[in-house]
Amino acid sequence: DTEVTQTPKHLVMGMTNKKSLKCEQHMGHRAMYWYKQKAKKPPELMFVYSYEKLSINESVPSRFSPECPNSSLLNLHLHALQPEDSALYLCASSQIAPGGGYGYTFGSGTRLTVV
Amino acid sequence: GENVEQHPSTLSVQEGDSAVIKCTYSDSASNYFPWYKQELGKRPQLIIDIRSNVGEKKDQRIAVTLNKTAKHFSLHITETQPEDSAVYFCAASKGGSYIPTFGRGTSLIVHP
Repeated sequence: DTEVTQTPKHLVMGMTNKKSLKCEQHMGHRAMYWYKQKAKKPPELMFVYSYEKLSINESVPSRFSPECPNSSLLNLHLHALQPEDSALYLCASSQIAPGGGYGYTFGSGTRLTVV
Repeated sequence: GENVEQHPSTLSVQEGDSAVIKCTYSDSASNYFPWYKQELGKRPQLIIDIRSNVGEKKDQRIAVTLNKTAKHFSLHITETQPEDSAVYFCAASKGGSYIPTFGRGTSLIVHP
């Protein structure tokens, strides 16, 4: 299996809702990431998990809460979002090596609309 | 931190022409340079990468070159086809870090 699977593909939520995005990979990658992407812009890093531990939080508002239950799963819990949070949310995974330098495998993303 | 500049922002070519996208980076410690292709509404996909111990790498119609002295790297696509139309992102990362810095992207349009 060489894919990263994200669900749901589309999500519309109100500003008072709570929802979760899910991501799964079975490539044995020990680094997993959440990115936010606006149209025709590069992905913006939100969170990094390495060996199931949160290693980077790019000053993301607390209305986004990541979770890594095990080495194959990554969740992003959403609560009280704002319309400006509407974007494509991408999960990615990669190998980890001391010298760095491994490309990402991205999931197909969740298109989130906050109304 | 690392800064990656990518040019041009838009590139329009006729089918069969070659296309070149250029990126420069600021951190001389960067040693891994991937390129991602993102078709409209789809995920970014890694199409080719190069490490700092290599000057050029080819894969069929695409190639990447790296000039460490000048701190720039380029993507070359030959015999372009309409299905090459996409946004292309370059990136750079350095040893010990697996977090890339992305360029701003190039929208490539191939006209039939």
